Amino acid sequence: AQSVTQLGSHVSVSEGALVLLRCNYSSSVPPYLFWYVQYPNQGLQLLLKYTSAATLVKGINGFEAEFKKSETSFHLTKPSAHMSDAAEYFCAVSASTGANSKLTFGKGITLSVRP
Amino acid sequence: GAVVSQHPSWVICKSGTSVKIECRSLDFQATTMFWYRQFPKQSLMLMATSNEGSKATYEQGVEKDKFLINHASLTLSTLTVTSAHPEDSSFYICSARGGSLSTGELFFGEGSRLTVL
Repeated sequence: AQSVTQLGSHVSVSEGALVLLRCNYSSSVPPYLFWYVQYPNQGLQLLLKYTSAATLVKGINGFEAEFKKSETSFHLTKPSAHMSDAAEYFCAVSASTGANSKLTFGKGITLSVRP
Repeated sequence: GAVVSQHPSWVICKSGTSVKIECRSLDFQATTMFWYRQFPKQSLMLMATSNEGSKATYEQGVEKDKFLINHASLTLSTLTVTSAHPEDSSFYICSARGGSLSTGELFFGEGSRLTVL
């Protein structure tokens, strides 16, 4: 079974500051890990994914995440926050890339960006 | 990336009526679609997994007679909320994975907000 822990429900940063959103996972098999972003009243958009290739993954909008097996973590970072980054962020884990493989989501973190 | 479209985006209905939500994969064939429900300020709760041409697999606690799912083609899945009640009001999101685009990630629709009066 897989699970994801996203500590805290809200992160607030100043525009231009570093963004760090934490994600820890639990998986009995090598995991596939994802970060999604959700804007109000919209579906989820994939930011980036780890599928057992490079441990440092670069995604859209300047975000990146590093898979650390020893720490069972997949934290999301962005060097400089923009106002447009304000949204809900979800970390998710899957056991495989098979068609029926389910994604298990964390509870999400709300990112606020102060001017 | 792949495009998944949901319709309608918003729907308001009276208690006791049924509402159908459509989920379409626009530029790929989706062998598997997933339906989620999301309450305000909460994560996504998986309701069911639907495979084209077969019965949906529902998660524990989800009433299959209440939430009817049909996946009749490789590009269309529908969720029908039968005899809707105010407690069914929620944000419903579909997602799809399939074909040559199956590298693990899900592609999500825009979501459908249901309000039952």
